[in-house]
Amino acid sequence: ETGVTQTPRHLVMGMTNKKSLKCEQHLGHNAMYWYKQSAKKPLELMFVYSLEERVENNSVPSRFSPECPNSSHLFLHLHTLQPEDSALYLCASSQEGAQAEKLFFGSGTQLSVL
Amino acid sequence: GNSVTQMEGPVTLSEEAFLTINCTYTATGYPSLFWYVQYPGEGLQLLLKATKADDKGSNKGFEATYRKETTSFHLEKGSVQVSDSAVYFCALMRWNSGGYQKVTFGTGTKLQVIP
Repeated sequence: ETGVTQTPRHLVMGMTNKKSLKCEQHLGHNAMYWYKQSAKKPLELMFVYSLEERVENNSVPSRFSPECPNSSHLFLHLHTLQPEDSALYLCASSQEGAQAEKLFFGSGTQLSVL
Repeated sequence: GNSVTQMEGPVTLSEEAFLTINCTYTATGYPSLFWYVQYPGEGLQLLLKATKADDKGSNKGFEATYRKETTSFHLEKGSVQVSDSAVYFCALMRWNSGGYQKVTFGTGTKLQVIP
């Protein structure tokens, strides 16, 4: 148990559906991240929120829309996805500052787009 | 930009064999270096880290030494177990001007240990 919980664990959606991924951290961290994990590719950083403000958006298509309502929760809203968006989506958190040393990951949501 | 290159897998070893997974990096300045491990069905967990040149990170019998002259951070273990079967990710971290961690990961190397 890493203290970062993601739901759902698995999601199958059609290209016209709208769905949301949820991430919750119980560690008191002030930074949260969305990563995309595809086979044989490095983990891709999608979004970073620091102190509830989006500080990085790595050229992610607008069909992915993040939301960070407070420092403990992070959402990824999905709409009109493409089959190539099928991947494992990982949420992570960290405590920013001089003592920060690592990322804490959730178990991920395995997304399949049909 | 920053990048991490690690050997392609999968790597298949017999129990008690010696493990090496190569990792090299490209970065400006002095990044911190990490190995993360992902067990089946789980997220990534930090395995070990090194924050400056010549540091050796170690955990659970795994070791890696920060070699600035060769820009490498190879992962080693003297005797692997079946329970070590997982995907291993090499990563580097730089502080971003926005005050958060900018972590760059490699592609991951799958390790399978057979009894």
